[in-house]
Amino acid sequence: GAGVSQSPSNKVTEKGKDVELRCDPISGHTALYWYRQRLGQGLEFLIYFQGNSAPDKSGLPSDRFSAERTGESVSTLTIQRTQQEDSAVYLCASSSRTSGTYEQYFGPGTRLTVT
Amino acid sequence: QKEVEQNSGPLSVPEGAIASLNCTYSDRGSQSFFWYRQYSGKSPELIMFIYSNGDKEDGRFTAQLNKASQYVSLLIRDSQPSDSATYLCAVWGQGGKLIFGQGTELSVKP
Repeated sequence: GAGVSQSPSNKVTEKGKDVELRCDPISGHTALYWYRQRLGQGLEFLIYFQGNSAPDKSGLPSDRFSAERTGESVSTLTIQRTQQEDSAVYLCASSSRTSGTYEQYFGPGTRLTVT
Repeated sequence: QKEVEQNSGPLSVPEGAIASLNCTYSDRGSQSFFWYRQYSGKSPELIMFIYSNGDKEDGRFTAQLNKASQYVSLLIRDSQPSDSATYLCAVWGQGGKLIFGQGTELSVKP
């Protein structure tokens, strides 16, 4: 079946502009996660959704970052007034959370470059 | 102390050898453990998960879990150059989310 998809795959934006990143989880997966990965670094947790609610937003780096999820499906991560330090790959993952083992499956990521 | 620790490597092994990747975690209440492989420029790919003490085998991969020692490892038998990647250990803890280690870079030399 279809995996997690993300769009756009690449985004180049000017400092100060707003960007929206989109994630389509695996059909039926109730949990959705956003991570950031800077070049050569590990995964940095940003936020996760269970259904349409976000029990844990602790990883969002600043109030410029926000995310929403509608219809227990698509999620968008919005970064306002982008800064150069926001340049990274933004990864989305989804999980069924009904299997009891909670494995997450990742999308291909969106590479964001802020110039 | 980091919640999930891995040696960053690089770990270099010759083709055909066994590669051993190790991970320790701090949350004694952790329940499920995962290994992901990440090729350069790609997203992480789930290889295995384990939640019971002991070994779990899948093809050339064996995950080993020792909850008393808070230690999980991944063995790759008959290593191939195509196994060269960064391997991420992840732990599902009581906080309700996966905690990832920084990853171990594996290089398999022909």
